Formats: sequence, structure tokens, C-alpha cells
Amino acid sequence: ELKVEQNPLFLSMQEGKNYTIYCNYSTTSDRLYWYRQDPGKSLESLFVLLSNGAVKQEGRLMASLDTKARLSTLHITAAVHDLSATYFCAVPNTGNQFYFGTGTSLTVIP
Amino acid sequence: ETGVTQSPTHLIKTRGQQVTLRCSSQSGHNTVSWYQQALGQGPQFIFQYYREEENGRGNFPPRFSGLQFPNYSSELNVNALELDDSALYLCASSHGTGRSTDTQYFGPGTRLTVL
Repeated sequence: ELKVEQNPLFLSMQEGKNYTIYCNYSTTSDRLYWYRQDPGKSLESLFVLLSNGAVKQEGRLMASLDTKARLSTLHITAAVHDLSATYFCAVPNTGNQFYFGTGTSLTVIP
Repeated sequence: ETGVTQSPTHLIKTRGQQVTLRCSSQSGHNTVSWYQQALGQGPQFIFQYYREEENGRGNFPPRFSGLQFPNYSSELNVNALELDDSALYLCASSHGTGRSTDTQYFGPGTRLTVL
């Protein structure tokens, strides 16, 4: 079974600082997704990474994918309070079943 | 274009009962996936339907079953409810070919509590 691990699980950071969330997965996949979830809400799609070396940026968030290392990163630049949420990475297997990480709970402190 | 909708929003059941959750996919989407998200956990894949056929199943017992209708809406049925079935149930739709899909768009979820 495909395993997806995220770290850190909890992240408390000051406004204006930079940080990176890591997502490792156990078997080959050429696609990876990042989602955001606010408390009590559903999942919002952030990025779809479709190939090795893919890099996507939206605002203060940038995601990258290294399929050889089975690693994706979500980099946060100059954090603001609005980024406080839980972030999930998800990897599909060959049967197109999506496996999610346990999530990273991000709190941005003023 | 309407997004993914789910009903009901919240539901309380007792052990041993049966429940049906409903999902309407986003316009133009032919694939629906269901996930269970326990508190503090990531979503766990239950199963996926593509053009009314099951197209993959996660590690869930047979008492979790589903349907997809010609308009691509879907139902998740859970029989003989257990306390551990308490979770947020998420439906996601996408436009797929049955072998690979594009981004999955999630509905707001149904919060099921089993007492």
C-alpha cells in the first residue's frame, strides 16, 4: 500500500517568515496534489504537479515535485495569518486511488 | 457552473443503523470518489465510480457500498454502523477517462456521528 508522510505535522510560524512542508511517498507516482483545509471545511485544491521537476506558484505558496526522490515540497514565503490551515498532499496510485498524507497544521502568529 | 454538493450536512445515527449519503458532481464531471476523514487524520479513499461502474476500492469492508447514477451523482451507503464510522465523509468529482483523472474537486462533506 502506498504510504504518504508529511512533516512537520504541526507548524507554528511568525508572520513574515519562510518555511517548507515536506511530503514523502513510498511508491512511484508521476502526479502529486496539494490541498488546503480550513477547520470544519472541505478540501480546496492548491496545486497539481504532473511531472518530475514540476514547480507551481500561487501567491506566497510554491510547490515542487521530485519523482525520483519521491518528494514534494510546499514552500511558504513571508507567511501571513490567512495561510493558517491544514495542508495535505495526495498521491494517486496506478489504480487512481488517492492516498493522502496526515496533514500539516499551520498556524501563523502575528 | 455548480460545484460539488453533498447532503445531508450533518447526521446522527446509532450503532447498527444504516445511512445513505448523497453527492452531486460538478457539471461536466463523470467520476466520483468517496473519502472518509476521521478527526485529525487525512482523508482515506473508500471507492471511486466512473460512468456508473466501481473503478477502484480502498481498504473498507463490504458494508460500505455505493452507486453512481446516469447523471453522475452518487450515493454512499453504510450498513451496520459502528462507532468508528464517525467521521467527515467527503465526495470528490473529476473529469476522467477511467484510468487517470484530473484534479478532484471536493464537496463540503457530511459529518456523520454514530452514537
